[in-house]
Amino acid sequence: GAGVSQTPSNKVTEKGKYVELRCDPISGHTALYWYRQSLGQGPEFLIYFQGTGAADDSGLPNDRFFAVRPEGSVSTLKIQRTERGDSAVYLCASGTSGDSYNEQFFGPGTRLTVL
Amino acid sequence: KQEVTQIPAALSVPEGENLVLNCSFTDSAIYNLQWFRQDPGKGLTSLLLIQSSQREQTSGRLNASLDKSSGRSTLYIAASQPGDSATYLCAVRADSWGKLQFGAGTQVVVTP
Repeated sequence: GAGVSQTPSNKVTEKGKYVELRCDPISGHTALYWYRQSLGQGPEFLIYFQGTGAADDSGLPNDRFFAVRPEGSVSTLKIQRTERGDSAVYLCASGTSGDSYNEQFFGPGTRLTVL
Repeated sequence: KQEVTQIPAALSVPEGENLVLNCSFTDSAIYNLQWFRQDPGKGLTSLLLIQSSQREQTSGRLNASLDKSSGRSTLYIAASQPGDSATYLCAVRADSWGKLQFGAGTQVVVTP
């Protein structure tokens, strides 16, 4: 079946601009996670959705970052007033919830470059 | 605060040798530990997930062990092949929401 998809695969923007990154999780997965991966590092957690609500947004670096999941499926990560330090690969993962297994399945990521 | 470390950062072996990749974590209160593979410019592919109550998991040539008390996991890849060349990441799930904390990865090159 279809895995997690993310669009766009690459995004180049200028400092100060607004960007939106989209994630389509695996059908039926209620848990959705956003991570950010800088070059040479492991992914770092940003935010977790259970259904439509953000259950844990403790990883968002500041208030320029915001994410939504209005219908409990597709999620959008929004970054305002982008800075060069926001350049990274943004990864989305989905999984089942309510069980201790909770394996996460990752999408291919969106590579964001802020010039 | 949970810290996850992977040593070495990079590893090169000739084809046919067994690979041993190490992962350590500072807080033994984990739900599970997952090993991932990442190819250049790609997302993460889940290889093995070990529950906190388990000691090991196996899939084909891959075997992962978990020793919670010492905060260690080891991924063994038998009879390595050039196609095994990738970065391998371990991640621990340390809370009920499922948030993963990753190590920085070990970059593996298997030479023909």
